[in-house]
Amino acid sequence: NAGVTQTPKFQVLKTGQSMTLQCAQDMNHNSMYWYRQDPGMGLRLIYYSASEGTTDKGEVPNGYNVSRLNKREFSLRLESAAPSQTSVYFCASSEQDRANNEQFFGPGTRLTVL
Amino acid sequence: AQSVTQLGSHVSVSEGALVLLRCNYSSSVPPYLFWYVQYPNQGLQLLLKYTTGATLVKGINGFEAEFKKSETSFHLTKPSAHMSDAAEYFCAVSDRRSGAGSYQLTFGKGTKLSVIP
Repeated sequence: NAGVTQTPKFQVLKTGQSMTLQCAQDMNHNSMYWYRQDPGMGLRLIYYSASEGTTDKGEVPNGYNVSRLNKREFSLRLESAAPSQTSVYFCASSEQDRANNEQFFGPGTRLTVL
Repeated sequence: AQSVTQLGSHVSVSEGALVLLRCNYSSSVPPYLFWYVQYPNQGLQLLLKYTTGATLVKGINGFEAEFKKSETSFHLTKPSAHMSDAAEYFCAVSDRRSGAGSYQLTFGKGTKLSVIP
């Protein structure tokens, strides 16, 4: 039982390049989330998927797109990377999109945009 | 919108001393509150959560937190710090998003705990 896995662990991009961050969970959770973590800012929600087949914007969605490929997988795409997108990206999942549900986090992807 | 304030971005304690990490929240509805811990180069792990019922919540690794509605606080404590407690700690509140009734975790900015031998 691996929990939440993310690939890649590290990535360096040049401005304007595109890439997709992959996330998968094996806990049969319905809801999945993408956050970014910046120093002194805590975690901020980029996009979420309350259930398979649905996605919605979070607090900071600009410059990103997501795909809920199936119940297990939720990918985050940067179409044209910018230095402001240098960050650590975390994927999370929870059983249901409910207030009292714990979210389980992956190990993160460290992205640098030059 | 709800918010979370963590007082002190860095806290240092001696090994064996009391750990106290402060968290205050704002909420227009009864909140659900969480503390997460992040060890270096890792993801976040749940320490404890308050949903309903007993206001003193016990978590993993000897941590506990008390929900005080009158003070809008959810401070995290541990009686005796260990070196292994050195990490970053995040307080979070669960918040109803606008529109369809889905929920969002709103995080504080984090408190980095250092433990001095």
